[in-house]
Amino acid sequence: SAVISQKPSRDICQRGTSLTIQCQVDSQVTMMFWYRQQPGQSLTLIATANQGSEATYESGFVIDKFPISRPNLTFSTLTVSNMSPEDSSIYLCSVAQGDNQPQHFGDGTRLSIL
Amino acid sequence: QKEVEQDPGPLSVPEGAIVSLNCTYSNSAFQYFMWYRQYSRKGPELLMYTYSSGNKEDGRFTAQVDKSSKYISLFIRDSQPSDSATYLCAMSGGTYKYIFGTGTRLKVLA
Repeated sequence: SAVISQKPSRDICQRGTSLTIQCQVDSQVTMMFWYRQQPGQSLTLIATANQGSEATYESGFVIDKFPISRPNLTFSTLTVSNMSPEDSSIYLCSVAQGDNQPQHFGDGTRLSIL
Repeated sequence: QKEVEQDPGPLSVPEGAIVSLNCTYSNSAFQYFMWYRQYSRKGPELLMYTYSSGNKEDGRFTAQVDKSSKYISLFIRDSQPSDSATYLCAMSGGTYKYIFGTGTRLKVLA
């Protein structure tokens, strides 16, 4: 399966700032996704990153808070904007080659907001 | 009621034991069933990917799906300390939208 690299692996940020997380894949993939994983909770899909067009956001997530880019078939970024302590979480990138194909995950970005 | 229910554990077993991990679900439209293993400070790693009902075996791992009971299981034979991790079940109706369980923490004691 594809090798998925996320940067940074962790960060501690100040309230009100923004952080951009990068996801790089070593081969072209059809689909890229961004998830949030909070302690004791299941993984929650934030959005599907669409190449060359606006991301598709799930209920409860908006573009102003979580802008996403996907300039090509191997790279995507997620920005967490105007951060508050409630945004402290693990953010995960996943990839798949189609709707019925399994998703594979990166190692995540562990984000803490002070 | 959550769409997918999974006992959070922790589940502690001695080395060599057979481990049974389970999830129940409520949505009869689910057709694809996955198990992921997640080590501390790592992302989820796909272990098993199955379609519809039945069994699938891969080495020491066996996945079972019983759609009539809305119940899936992952069995680990000859468990090892290296199997200590959190196991996540996930399922979908054939789209990219996965619904995950909250995960079961497993500890295999040497």
